[in-house]
Amino acid sequence: DIPMTQSPSSLSASVGDRVTITCRASQYISNYLNWYQHIPGKAPKLLIYAASSLQSGVPSRFSGSGSGTDFTLTISSLQPEDFATYYCQQSYNTWTFGQGTTVDIK
Amino acid sequence: QVQLQESGPGLVRPSQTLSLTCTVSGASISARGYYWTWIRQPAGKELEWIGRVYSSGGTNYNPSLKSRLTISLDTSKNQFSLKLTSVTAADTAFYYCARVRERAPFPFDEWGQGTLVTVSS
Repeated sequence: DIPMTQSPSSLSASVGDRVTITCRASQYISNYLNWYQHIPGKAPKLLIYAASSLQSGVPSRFSGSGSGTDFTLTISSLQPEDFATYYCQQSYNTWTFGQGTTVDIK
Repeated sequence: QVQLQESGPGLVRPSQTLSLTCTVSGASISARGYYWTWIRQPAGKELEWIGRVYSSGGTNYNPSLKSRLTISLDTSKNQFSLKLTSVTAADTAFYYCARVRERAPFPFDEWGQGTLVTVSS
């Protein structure tokens, strides 16, 4: 197992804000890091794969960076449909997830 | 448009077998380039990878569940399924099925909405 640590666990933000979520792997995982968005009652959605590659159809306000053990998901200008829980996932050795970051309305 | 839908009983008695099916539309589960997986999330806890099945029918399981777990394909119905035996309250969770892209970094590119399974007498 490769434990993943996300921070913060929750945050409050306003429409238009820049939001940054971090994820740290307990060991080196190269760029085997993916980000997902989950709105309750809906299917989780792949946003970013390979740390920084934008999944087809995902708005360009989402971006990812990092390599090795430290990674970041950034939403450049938060939109109403972005209020959700975000998860990082390592896929270097099977798969494990961070505990999630819930973004809610300030 | 690929869609996945989980189905199965919402309530399972302790010591019984939990059985779930994932029906895939918009893609063939026999197609190359992808394989299929199950994930679960108990209330207030992290997402946990359960296991995967390849289009060939080969499988890999989370070691913590391996002794109780079977994942299989039904290509005639374009479905894959999960069976977890000897369940306890610790198996109560939302269960999700997903498609895995078969090239690094192996992301889960399509998911079902999930189904809640409660283990209780």
